[in-house]
Amino acid sequence: AAGVIQSPRHLIKEKRETATLKCYPIPRHDTVYWYQQGPGQDPQFLISFYEKMQSDKGSIPDRFSAQQFSDYHSELNMSSLELGDSALYFCASSLSERRTGVRTGELFFGEGSRLTVL
Amino acid sequence: QKEVEQDPGPLSVPEGAIVSLNCTYSNSAFQYFMWYRQYSRKGPELLMYTYSSGNKEDGRFTAQVDKSSKYISLFIRDSQPSDSATYLCAFTNTGNQFYFGTGTSLTVIP
Repeated sequence: AAGVIQSPRHLIKEKRETATLKCYPIPRHDTVYWYQQGPGQDPQFLISFYEKMQSDKGSIPDRFSAQQFSDYHSELNMSSLELGDSALYFCASSLSERRTGVRTGELFFGEGSRLTVL
Repeated sequence: QKEVEQDPGPLSVPEGAIVSLNCTYSNSAFQYFMWYRQYSRKGPELLMYTYSSGNKEDGRFTAQVDKSSKYISLFIRDSQPSDSATYLCAFTNTGNQFYFGTGTSLTVIP
């Protein structure tokens, strides 16, 4: 079965550079989430999109932005990178219940993109 | 008070042991309760997903939810070395935001 695809898997950047991470959700999933996970930490919610519209915003810095495109893939853009941005960035997708439109708790995560800022 | 509390461990058990992992939460609005397994440098993988109080069994795994006590558990029977991973509990009310525990690191020793 198709899973959530993220690219690149590894990325090394210098301070103040920019980085773009891509996510391709599971086909027919209508919601995409971005999470940041520091070493030994739980995933921190950044932002989500439902049917290509921004749905919810978490602890996403102003230096970061994200969008979801017409083909449902999403990109997380990070500018003015700081050392503290070094982390694993996960994308996850889910599908709402058809009848009610309620999003359930079944999140499917990608393998993650490891960003290292030097 | 944090939304979710989870003992980080680490937890080390012999192969074949029963493992008990627990989380408490403070938000009574949470409706969906999940357990994720995360191997090193990999994305979290959904293990168990429950909506209501009670038990849900799937093979060697049993998820237990006690809404009145705001307490969830994951039991692993006949633990295997391949179960060695970090286990994260997660909660959501509407599916808009998910709240994760810090994860419990489990090692099953052959």
